[in-house]
Amino acid sequence: EAGVVQSPRYKIIEKKQPVAFWCNPISGHNTLYWYLQNLGQGPELLIRYENEEAVDDSQLPKDRFSAERLKGVDSTLKIQPAELGDSAVYLCASSPSLGPNTEAFFGQGTRLTVV
Amino acid sequence: GQNIDQPTEMTATEGAIVQINCTYQTSGFNGLFWYQQHAGEAPTFLSYNVLDGLEEKGRFSSFLSRSKGYSYLLLKELQMKDSASYLCAVRGVAAGNKLTFGGGTRVLVKP
Repeated sequence: EAGVVQSPRYKIIEKKQPVAFWCNPISGHNTLYWYLQNLGQGPELLIRYENEEAVDDSQLPKDRFSAERLKGVDSTLKIQPAELGDSAVYLCASSPSLGPNTEAFFGQGTRLTVV
Repeated sequence: GQNIDQPTEMTATEGAIVQINCTYQTSGFNGLFWYQQHAGEAPTFLSYNVLDGLEEKGRFSSFLSRSKGYSYLLLKELQMKDSASYLCAVRGVAAGNKLTFGGGTRVLVKP
């Protein structure tokens, strides 16, 4: 069974440019998360989807970040315009449901460098 | 909100035992997870605790005390490949059941 797939693995852009990340969760997983991880720190939740509905986007900087999950499967996370401080690893994760013992499965992440 | 604390870094010798502590504060505790993350790779699931006590999985064990808001991950018979970051994560009902991570503990195993 394929795991969570993210692309691209690496992205370098100039500040003020737009950037988009793509995530394909594990088949059948209703819950999808986008996390941001800075070097040496734990992942921080940006947004969580239950199917196509964003149920927790309280940590998403909505002035420049947006996300969508059309048809409740794949998801994209966009930053426009990117700032230097956005340089980080963006992790996508999925889980079958919100049952208490359902762990999240993570993708390899997209490492973003804003120059 | 949810607050999770764990040490930043630990060093241990190959073959030894290391215990990584995690303390947390959350409303409506609904489970604690441990993940392993090698540099440049995705976090991978290690263990889950929701009831008090010890869960053992081979060389790795995880303990939970809900009354103390405390957990630890025990790594026995350390191997060089165990050098990684270990992330403690808590799920809380009051936080909409989202998974909140601590900062991670970087473990360095020396020969």
